[in-house]
Amino acid sequence: SQKIEQNSEALNIQEGKTATLTCNYTNYSPAYLQWYRQDPGRGPVFLLLIRENEKEKRKERLKVTFDTTLKQSLFHITASQPADSATYLCALAFYNQGGKLIFGQGTELSVKP
Amino acid sequence: EAGVAQSPRYKIIEKRQSVAFWCNPISGHATLYWYQQILGQGPKLLIQFQNNGVVDDSQLPKDRFSAERLKGVDSTLKIQPAKLEDSAVYLCASSFNDSPLHFGNGTRLTVT
Repeated sequence: SQKIEQNSEALNIQEGKTATLTCNYTNYSPAYLQWYRQDPGRGPVFLLLIRENEKEKRKERLKVTFDTTLKQSLFHITASQPADSATYLCALAFYNQGGKLIFGQGTELSVKP
Repeated sequence: EAGVAQSPRYKIIEKRQSVAFWCNPISGHATLYWYQQILGQGPKLLIQFQNNGVVDDSQLPKDRFSAERLKGVDSTLKIQPAKLEDSAVYLCASSFNDSPLHFGNGTRLTVT
């Protein structure tokens, strides 16, 4: 069955540094991949989408890369701020799953001032 | 635009009792999803509706969980009878065509 793995340990970084979060998957390549942000007690909020034929996507301080050979996506937050502290979830849609979105377990990011 | 509305925000019940959750999606969003999120895990899809028809309910424990979306707008998710392992946050989401999901803030269920 399809597996999605994100860094299970929390990531702690200093304000102003670049945070890099990893999302790895097994077996089939996804049609597209999305990243969501989730704050405590709230539902996930969509950040970025990248398709299988795209290598990189950017939005303000956010950048997502997608390597179908390594079966990996990297999510970068540049010039990080304490307000970026949250849990970040990757979600993949696979052709053989009818396009259903499957979420990773999330990585908690903490940005210290 | 108004977001996805869910109620109640919190619910505490004893095992073997029943419970129901309500969701009102964003206006015009034909697709509605119910996800279960256990503490420390990512959301897991329980059921997906397209208008008032079920698209995917492969991971819904049908012996105890049921969901409906009668008029293609609001939806309710019911658990009867509840088990301890059903303690989780139940998230409702909606989307327009293949757009990204818009989530509500969920209902936190505690089964004692």
